[in-house]
Amino acid sequence: GDSVTQMEGPVTLSEEAFLTINCTYTATGYPSLFWYVQYPGEGLQLLLKATKADDKGSNKGFEATYRKETTSFHLEKGSVQVSDSAVYFCALSERAAGNKLTFGGGTRVLVKP
Amino acid sequence: DAGVIQSPRHEVTEMGQEVTLRCKPISGHDYLFWYRQTMMRGLELLIYFNNNVPIDDSGMPEDRFSAKMPNASFSTLKIQPSEPRDSAVYFCASSPTASSYEQYFGPGTRLTVT
Repeated sequence: GDSVTQMEGPVTLSEEAFLTINCTYTATGYPSLFWYVQYPGEGLQLLLKATKADDKGSNKGFEATYRKETTSFHLEKGSVQVSDSAVYFCALSERAAGNKLTFGGGTRVLVKP
Repeated sequence: DAGVIQSPRHEVTEMGQEVTLRCKPISGHDYLFWYRQTMMRGLELLIYFNNNVPIDDSGMPEDRFSAKMPNASFSTLKIQPSEPRDSAVYFCASSPTASSYEQYFGPGTRLTVT
């Protein structure tokens, strides 16, 4: 079956540092890939997405590129802020599964001033 | 749009009591999902509906859990009887079309069973 593996946290950074969160996936078909973010006390929000190989999703300074050859979708941000402290989830969805998402375990990021 | 609405936001109940969680999806969305989030197990999909019909309930933990969607604008998740291990945050999410794959989450209901 489909699965998503992402690096375990917590990841602790200083403000303006570079952030990378690794995500790899296993899928039987050709999935769409997503990053969701969950701020404290809130539900998940879609951060960015990519639907085909070599697509780059971007939003709020975050980027991730769909790498089919390495089955990866790593999240990056060049200069983090305290407000980026949250839990980040990598996810995939396959057409055969309808709109069902398969989530990774989440990575908690803490940015210190 | 108001987004996905869940009620109550917090629920504290005693073991053995019935608990009903409610969700109003975004208008026009065809899919509705119920998730449970705990520290130990992370985010788990419990059940999802398409056009008010349950499609996959394989994530429902046991017969104590049931979910209904009587119309396009309302869904309930019921636990009867509740147990302390049901304590978690329960999220409802909705999705607009089969080709979109994007899900919009509600703020969640934090359930505590004592």
